[in-house]
This record gives sequence, C-alpha cells and structure tokens, in this order.
Amino acid sequence: EAQVTQNPRYLITVTGKKLTVTCSQNMNHEYMSWYRQDPGLGLRQIYYSMNVEVTDKGDVPEGYKVSRKEKRNFPLILESPSPNQTSLYFCASSKGVRYTGELFFGEGSRLTVL
Amino acid sequence: SQQGEEDPQALSIQEGENATMNCSYKTSINNLQWYRQNSGRGLVHLILIRSNEREKHSGRLRVTLDTSKKSSSLLITASRAADTASYFCATDEGYNQGGKLIFGQGTELSVKP
Repeated sequence: EAQVTQNPRYLITVTGKKLTVTCSQNMNHEYMSWYRQDPGLGLRQIYYSMNVEVTDKGDVPEGYKVSRKEKRNFPLILESPSPNQTSLYFCASSKGVRYTGELFFGEGSRLTVL
Repeated sequence: SQQGEEDPQALSIQEGENATMNCSYKTSINNLQWYRQNSGRGLVHLILIRSNEREKHSGRLRVTLDTSKKSSSLLITASRAADTASYFCATDEGYNQGGKLIFGQGTELSVKP
C-alpha cells in the first residue's frame, strides 16, 4: 500500500531534550516536505527536499533540522525543543522533482513540549 | 506567507444540501488543489485544477478556477454526514522556482444527518 509513515504519532517531551520524528515513504517520490499545523495559523511549511541531499527552508525553519540521505526517508530533528514547538506535524511527499502535483500526507505526529 | 484564503471559515448544512467553499489567492499560480482533513488526521488530496482549466469534476465534487479574479470554489453536491471535515485549498507559489505549496486556513464543514 502506498503510504507516508511517521513516527512517533504522539510524543510528550521536555524542553531541551533532542528528538527526531521519522518519515518514510514507499512511493519512490523525489519531493518530501514537513509541515506544522497550529490552530488559527493553518499549515506552515518547515523544510522541504526536492531530491536526495537537497533540502531547503520553508516558512518556519527555526529550531528544526532535516536530512535527506536516502530517497525514502526525511527525518525532522528538534535539537533543543521548546514549548512553542508544541504542534501537529505532517510529513508529505510528491513524485515530482519540482513540486507540481498531489501531495501524499502522513497521519501526523502530535508533539507536546513541556 | 498566506496564499490561499478560504471562505467561509465554517459552514454547517443538512445532509443532502450542497456545500460551497471559496478560496482566494494573491500571486500567479501553476495549479490549485483542494484537500480534505478529517479531525486530527492527515490531509487527503481531492482534486487539482491547472491554471489553464476553468472547471473540473470528480464524483460529487466540482471545482472552478477564475485566474482573473484569483479565486476558486469547491462545490460538494448532495452532501453526506461523512463529508464532515476541514477543506483546504493550496497553491504552488513560486512554482517556477519549484518547491512550495501554500495552504489556506481551511473551511470547517459540518454536515448534520
């Protein structure tokens, strides 16, 4: 089944404790992206990647890192989480090198930073 | 940056009625898409309309695009309780630099049985 898989789905952590949210897609997609969703602010793009070893900042990259060492994986790293990073996070992928079409989303990772 | 903005923010209708949601955007686009999100779940792609298209259908969905007014509408006909969800439009801002899809704030649709 074609899918984007995120883990963990739910996480409660404390300020400053490094964490990684994994994202994996099985569709051989070139393009992958991370979004965060907050009430009243909608979905905002954090980082995106158009290919292996190619990543770029979205609208809200501060406090986050990403890597794209393999086509299928695009982990989101919070080196020193803070309470303002409490949010619902979505990973998404698309088959184009340049984004032009349908995005496939994961089920989301709800993160709470205390 | 906010590209697509949906209107209304919330819509409540009875089963069987039609639901219309609107989206406005600011810059030129290559395509516009609509997505659906059930509460707390991932977004699901519904339909994509290209800038050279004016109308597109998919089942009970009808999407129109007016590039002169920089607006789009999503019509769901004969709505069902299962259509209750948030609906988002998304545009490919800066598509010739390739990389960003900008989402609006969404319309919360409630369909009462």
